[in-house]
Amino acid sequence: NAGVTQTPKFRVLKTGQSMTLLCAQDMNHEYMYWYRQDPGMGLRLIHYSVGEGTTAKGEVPDGYNVSRLKKQNFLLGLESAAPSQTSVYFCASSNPNPGGEQYFGPGTRLTVT
Amino acid sequence: DQQVKQNSPSLSVQEGRISILNCDYTNSMFDYFLWYKKYPAEGPTFLISISSIKDKNEDGRFTVFLNKSAKHLSLHIVPSQPGDSAVYFCAASGRGTASKLTFGTGTRLQVTL
Repeated sequence: NAGVTQTPKFRVLKTGQSMTLLCAQDMNHEYMYWYRQDPGMGLRLIHYSVGEGTTAKGEVPDGYNVSRLKKQNFLLGLESAAPSQTSVYFCASSNPNPGGEQYFGPGTRLTVT
Repeated sequence: DQQVKQNSPSLSVQEGRISILNCDYTNSMFDYFLWYKKYPAEGPTFLISISSIKDKNEDGRFTVFLNKSAKHLSLHIVPSQPGDSAVYFCAASGRGTASKLTFGTGTRLQVTL
């Protein structure tokens, strides 16, 4: 049982480049989330999904797109990276229980120069 | 607008003593409150949670207290151990919000020998 895995672990991009972060979970969870963590700001929700084929915006969605084509995978895309998107990105998943705990992946550290 | 606040960025406690981490919130629609622990270069891991209909929840060395009238919760760790040294995040979710979490900015706990 790997839990939540994220690929890649580290990445450096130049401004304007694009990339996709992959999140996979093997717990058969319905809900999946993408957060970013910046110094002094805690974790902020970018996008989330309540099931295969569905996505919704979180608190800071601008500059990102997501897709959930399979229940176990949640992809986060940056079409044209900006230095403001330098951050640590965390994926999480959970069951649809009220107050249900979320299980987090190990994170992807992204630097945009 | 920070809906979940952790006003102490850091806390140092001696091994064996009690650690008390505090969290305040402004949104009265929050239904569940969770504490996460995060080590460097890892994703957050769930520690303990409490529903808004309770005022206390205990799990081993960890106890969370909720004061709804004051919109305040606290995490007590007794006794504190060196392995508890980490960043602790308070988080909250509302009913019917797909368990989306709003995080505080975190408190770094250092347990000294």
